[in-house]
Amino acid sequence: EAGVVQSPRYKIIEKKQPVAFWCNPISGHNTLYWYLQNLGQGPELLIRYENEEAVDDSQLPKDRFSAERLKGVDSTLKIQPAELGDSAVYLCASSLGFASGSYNEQFFGPGTRLTVL
Amino acid sequence: RKEVEQDPGPFNVPEGATVAFNCTYSNSASQSFFWYRQDCRKEPKLLMSVYSSGNEDGRFTAQLNRASQYISLLIRDSKLSDSATYLCVGSGSARQLTFGSGTQLTVLP
Repeated sequence: EAGVVQSPRYKIIEKKQPVAFWCNPISGHNTLYWYLQNLGQGPELLIRYENEEAVDDSQLPKDRFSAERLKGVDSTLKIQPAELGDSAVYLCASSLGFASGSYNEQFFGPGTRLTVL
Repeated sequence: RKEVEQDPGPFNVPEGATVAFNCTYSNSASQSFFWYRQDCRKEPKLLMSVYSSGNEDGRFTAQLNRASQYISLLIRDSKLSDSATYLCVGSGSARQLTFGSGTQLTVLP
């Protein structure tokens, strides 16, 4: 079974340019997450979707970041305009829908490594 | 103060050694805890969940102490393939995962 797919794997852009990342979760996983990981740090949640609804976007810098999951399957994360400090790895993860009182393992994609020059 | 804190290491140990990682968390409302493993330039993967009673999976033993808000991971008989970064993770009522910064382990031949 295919895991979480992300593209592109690497992206190099100049500051002030827009950039978009794409994620296709594991089939049947209703919950999708976007994380940001800086070097030497753990992943930090940017946004969580339950199907097509963004249920937690409190950590998403909404002045420049946006995300969508229109049909409740794949998702796109966009940055416009990019800044030097946005250089990081952007990870997508998915899990089965939240079942009351249980934890569903999150499966991560390989990430997109963004470099802003 | 970070919600989940870990000693970043690096821990350099010889093959066959026993090594222990510690982690503390500040959010007493955290309900579930995990250890994730992340290889260099790869994605994190769940290693094991952590239960108050302590749990073991082969050479790996995890322990949770809620009174001290402390989590540990013990690796026995270290293998070269255990070299990775180990992320301590807490989960609150919203099942949102909060990751520590990770502890880097290198097992030397």
